[in-house]
Amino acid sequence: DAKTTQPPSMDCAEGRAANLPCNHSTISGNEYVYWYRQIHSQGPQYIIHGLKNNETNEMASLIITEDRKSSTLILPHATLRDTAVYYCIVRLHSGNTPLVFGKGTRLSVIA
Amino acid sequence: DSGVTQTPKHLITATGQRVTLRCSPRSGDLSVYWYQQSLDQGLQFLIQYYNGEERAKGNILERFSAQQFPDLHSELNLSSLELGDSALYFCASSVDPQPNEKLFFGSGTQLSVL
Repeated sequence: DAKTTQPPSMDCAEGRAANLPCNHSTISGNEYVYWYRQIHSQGPQYIIHGLKNNETNEMASLIITEDRKSSTLILPHATLRDTAVYYCIVRLHSGNTPLVFGKGTRLSVIA
Repeated sequence: DSGVTQTPKHLITATGQRVTLRCSPRSGDLSVYWYQQSLDQGLQFLIQYYNGEERAKGNILERFSAQQFPDLHSELNLSSLELGDSALYFCASSVDPQPNEKLFFGSGTQLSVL
């Protein structure tokens, strides 16, 4: 698996956009970028994933750079309930390769 | 609610004992994954089953074993327990282990070995 690098922690004001960066400079052509989050000891929750194009769903937007070496997860209007650890994961094309979680970014949304 | 059910939610036992953790995947999901989360190691992948067959293996100790039954529920057996086995154990499921498949996680079993 390609390794990812994320800042260990970030703060965001409630109501503002939270932009969480991820570097994956060794990503290969068939690897997807996934984002999951874990709210205090709950099971991780899928947020979004993408291959090349930017993606948006009801939870967030994923912006992948053209060279695919980095990406940004955007929570457009962060709330206190978005306080969690956010994991950026790059997954190999093979279906036998499980999701491998790193240390993630601890996002604190502040009132 | 992810649709993945794990029981029990909490388990307290002593060193040397054996326990079984149970996971019922989401309806229709054929693949089950087990993860261990401890304070110092983070989320570690243990093992994956797909439709009853072992599909991938991670950092699972020889004292640990798992299986997936015909009704697709899965059990993780932990034996000769040590203090260091205290952790949160998560089960996840997906329809099919494809590279763009998303996983749904249960709420976990908190194991405390005293």
